[in-house]
Formats: sequence, C-alpha cells, structure tokens
Amino acid sequence: QSALTQPRSVSGSPGQSVTISCTGTSSDVGGYKYVSWYQQHPGKAPKLMIYDVSKRPSGVPDRFSGSKSGNTASLTISGLQAEDEADYYCCSYAGSYVFGTGTKVTVL
Amino acid sequence: QVQLVESGGGLVQPGGSLRLSCAASGFTFSDYYMNWIRQAPGKGLEWVSYISSSGSTIYYADSVKGRFTISRDNAKNSLYLQMNSLRAEDTAVYYCARERSGCSGGSCYTFDYWGQGTLVTVSS
Repeated sequence: QSALTQPRSVSGSPGQSVTISCTGTSSDVGGYKYVSWYQQHPGKAPKLMIYDVSKRPSGVPDRFSGSKSGNTASLTISGLQAEDEADYYCCSYAGSYVFGTGTKVTVL
Repeated sequence: QVQLVESGGGLVQPGGSLRLSCAASGFTFSDYYMNWIRQAPGKGLEWVSYISSSGSTIYYADSVKGRFTISRDNAKNSLYLQMNSLRAEDTAVYYCARERSGCSGGSCYTFDYWGQGTLVTVSS
C-alpha cells in the first residue's frame, strides 16, 4: 500500500486555526471509519490525538478535531498554541495499517 | 501508568540478525493486541507487524515478511521482534505500540500507547 498523502508543512500564528489533510483511496481512508492522528515532537514517541476519524482520547485538548469526507480525512487545530508545533501523522486501517507522509506544523 | 520500554537495538551488519524486546507494565498485557512500528531517520512512520492478545493471529508488512518474526510472552509481559536477513533499509527507530481495546470484534485499529523506541542501524 502507498502512504497516505499529507502536505509537507502548514503554519499559523498563535490563536489561528490550521487544517491538515490526509488523502488516500477507497481502499483505506474512504473505506473505513478507522482513521487516527498522531502528534510527534522531535525525538519523542508519537502520541494519539484523534481516533475513529473524530474521537478525542481523554486528555487531548478540544482544540483538536477530526473529520472525513470521501477519501480525505482532516485534522484541525483551533486556537493554535506554541506547544502544538510538531509533526503530525494520519493513519488508516486498510486490511493492514498505512500511515500518512507526515506534516510539520509550525507556529509562527 | 502504562509503560512500554523497548530494548535490543544496535548496530548490525547487512544480513545479520537482531532481537528487539518490549517490556510492558501498568496494564494487563495479555488483554491487548500489540504492534511494531518503525521510523527511518528523518522519515515517516511505517507499520511493521501485529500480534493478537493470545498470539494466535499475526500479520506482517510485505517489506519484512519472511524475515521478521513477532512473538509475545504474556507471563513475562513482553513483546518481541526477531529480525533476520537485515538490510540497510531496515535502519530505523522501532516502536512497540499498544492497540486500544474494548471494541466489538477485538481490534480498535488505533495505537493508544507507544514506547520511546529503540534504534536499529544496519551498516557495514
């Protein structure tokens, strides 16, 4: 399976909103409700931020939200904060698991 | 609290072997499906292998099939990855990751906890 397509980078000022897209096919993102998003700070392990397209685990701020339309899933960070600067990866179940190419979020 | 601690990484020559371990604590290990996921230096995440809670169901990525073997010892709360015939492209940080539980059908298809990873370098 090919990696899901994400923009290489997105940026925003503190307080603004940014949206990261994750584009796959009907065999992965479009075919299942099992899209998750992970945040990774440099040198650290990934952290689960969103699962089942739009659900937030306990402890994840509600400024993080997820959605899906067709073969594209999205992660939106509202009210951007300095600590949100990190790499973000989407992941879809597709018989096995396929990750996105990753997006670097920069807080200006 | 949930802890996953990987070990066993290091430098190995092409064609060599290495066995990674992941020690789990803070939860009932035998109740959870587990996975290995890797990340090459400066690159994205790649799923490697999955094992069910009992060890009866196992899956591999095509890139490692026939060379890597996942296993677990529920009595020791440990997950393993035996890596043989290693190649330069296997160079990566290897993470063990727990799958979220409590879903109908078993798997929840989400990795809710990750270890800190162990670096495997394949080079002559």
